[in-house]
Amino acid sequence: AQSVTQLDSQVPVFEEAPVELRCNYSSSVSVYLFWYVQYPNQGLQLLLKYLSGSTLVESINGFEAEFNKSQTSFHLRKPSVHISDTAEYFCAVGRIGRSSYKLIFGSGTRLLVRP
Amino acid sequence: DVKVTQSSRYLVKRTGEKVFLECVQDMDHENMFWYRQDPGLGLRLIYFSYDVKMKEKGDIPEGYSVSREKKERFSLILESASTNQTSMYLCASSSGLGNTGELFFGEGSRLTVL
Repeated sequence: AQSVTQLDSQVPVFEEAPVELRCNYSSSVSVYLFWYVQYPNQGLQLLLKYLSGSTLVESINGFEAEFNKSQTSFHLRKPSVHISDTAEYFCAVGRIGRSSYKLIFGSGTRLLVRP
Repeated sequence: DVKVTQSSRYLVKRTGEKVFLECVQDMDHENMFWYRQDPGLGLRLIYFSYDVKMKEKGDIPEGYSVSREKKERFSLILESASTNQTSMYLCASSSGLGNTGELFFGEGSRLTVL
């Protein structure tokens, strides 16, 4: 069975500072990895995903995540955050090879960007 | 613009009432899901459906049922609402072709049971 751990429930950071949101997963099979973002009172939106190929994936708004198979991690980073990045971030893992798909989500990390 | 639409953003119901949460997607997706979101617990899968009239239990199906009579519509039913079902409910869909598991979510339905 797969599981996802987001150790930090909340990460406060000042505007323009770098940030890293941690995600570790466990799985006995190959996986796809996702980061979703949820802004207040909204549903989840896909931020970025790792399916195959380059282990470093990027989003259009400056976030990046690196798939590290040996450490079973998929940490999310941004070199300089904005107030508008304040949101909850969810890491998720999906199992390769299934036709009917279920994602397993972490418990979420609330990023709070302060001016 | 592709969308997953949940019929009600906010609902307030009384204990024992029957509650219907409706979800419609316009992406012709095969798979549809109902998640429950609670603080500190992340998203937990209630039920999912990979085809019309097909359904499978997720991790927390107790107290819930679902209906999928048409491909685009997936309904979550609380037969007799209880206060511990107060939560945010999220509907999602995904393609069955070359499926990577990427989910498309609705805006959520916040249910309060008094």
